[in-house]
Amino acid sequence: ILNVEQSPQSLHVQEGDSTNFTCSFPSSNFYALHWYRWETAKSPEALFVMTLNGDEKKKGRISATLNTKEGYSYLYIKGSQPEDSATYLCAFRNTGNQFYFGTGTSLTVIP
Amino acid sequence: ETGVTQSPTHLIKTRGQQVTLRCSSQSGHNTVSWYQQALGQGPQFIFQYYREEENGRGNFPPRFSGLQFPNYSSELNVNALELDDSALYLCASSYTGQGSNQPQHFGDGTRLSIL
Repeated sequence: ILNVEQSPQSLHVQEGDSTNFTCSFPSSNFYALHWYRWETAKSPEALFVMTLNGDEKKKGRISATLNTKEGYSYLYIKGSQPEDSATYLCAFRNTGNQFYFGTGTSLTVIP
Repeated sequence: ETGVTQSPTHLIKTRGQQVTLRCSSQSGHNTVSWYQQALGQGPQFIFQYYREEENGRGNFPPRFSGLQFPNYSSELNVNALELDDSALYLCASSYTGQGSNQPQHFGDGTRLSIL
């Protein structure tokens, strides 16, 4: 069984705080690592697709890094806003074209 | 740009029945993936279709089958329904091309309940 683990499971931060969470995945047969944001009553929204070791991607106040050799990715949110409240999912795609999602980190930003 | 649409939105079936879920991919996309999300879990990959053929499969039994049509829309069929099949079924479309690694765009899902 292939495990993709995300931590923490849930997080509460104050508006304006910066935060980060982790996605751990197998370091073998790596093809890509996807990050998604899933707001309640909406469909998951793609944030990043990361493929190369050492990749760093940024979208507004959200950024992500990738380490394929040790099998982890970090997602950072700078200056959290209430609208950032959502579940953040990572998905590992292997060379066999299979996708494995973590269970997500639920972020609540308190105004 | 038309997004990913799934139908129906909700469905109630009984054990042993068969069900077909449908997905229309986003315009410009040629690949469709299906996921099952049970309560408290992340989405579980069922399979992916590209060029009307299965292009990757997760750990699901053969009673989960699919189709992709020439217009890139897709169906997920589940036979001999079991209580554990109760879940949210998500469809995601993307573009597959040489050297590309594109994000998936998800539909709103079909909520399937088995009684």
